[in-house]
Amino acid sequence: DTGVSQNPRHKITKRGQNVTFRCDPISEHNRLYWYRQTLGQGPEFLTYFQNEAQLEKSRLLSDRFSAERPKGSFSTLEIQRTEQGDSAMYLCASSLMAGEGQPQHFGDGTRLSIL
Amino acid sequence: GDSVTQMEGPVTLSEEAFLTINCTYTATGYPSLFWYVQYPGEGLQLLLKATKADDKGSNKGFEATYRKETTSFHLEKGSVQVSDSAVYFCALSDRKAAGNKLTFGGGTRVLVKP
Repeated sequence: DTGVSQNPRHKITKRGQNVTFRCDPISEHNRLYWYRQTLGQGPEFLTYFQNEAQLEKSRLLSDRFSAERPKGSFSTLEIQRTEQGDSAMYLCASSLMAGEGQPQHFGDGTRLSIL
Repeated sequence: GDSVTQMEGPVTLSEEAFLTINCTYTATGYPSLFWYVQYPGEGLQLLLKATKADDKGSNKGFEATYRKETTSFHLEKGSVQVSDSAVYFCALSDRKAAGNKLTFGGGTRVLVKP
């Protein structure tokens, strides 16, 4: 169990640029989640995948955001035309599908700073 | 919709003091409840969980009991250490919600002084 891996750890970019983050889940986990955490707040759900299918998207996920999980393995989260309000920590988590109360295992996050 | 409310921090304690962090929730269904901890510069780590009423989750000296009648899941530790300094998040996943997504409280920062 190598844990959930996220890259990059930090991303600094100018407003209006596109950015892409990557998440590698725990290998046997078929569910993958993206959350956003702003300073001093708890994480907020963005979207989740079950295998390669994206099954739910939060209304927080504007049309500038897109997430993919090709072949049900790693996932990418892309933000187009970044805005100041996109500055946050983007967290990825994965879990097994079966059973109630399955815990989600989180990566260390990607911190995005928009100049 | 679902929501989680935690006591605001920071909570400052001396080593070996008793810690309580209050957490209450609102859910349309019958949720599973979790406490996660975030140490400085790190991601969230699962601390403990409970999946049904009156269940007690415990780990590393921390405990929390699922109280359905009061919709609460308060975190307690009898004797804290400096290494317990972190931000603690209460969270729920509602079984009626697709995908078991987590709804988090705002977090409580705990600072333990030697």
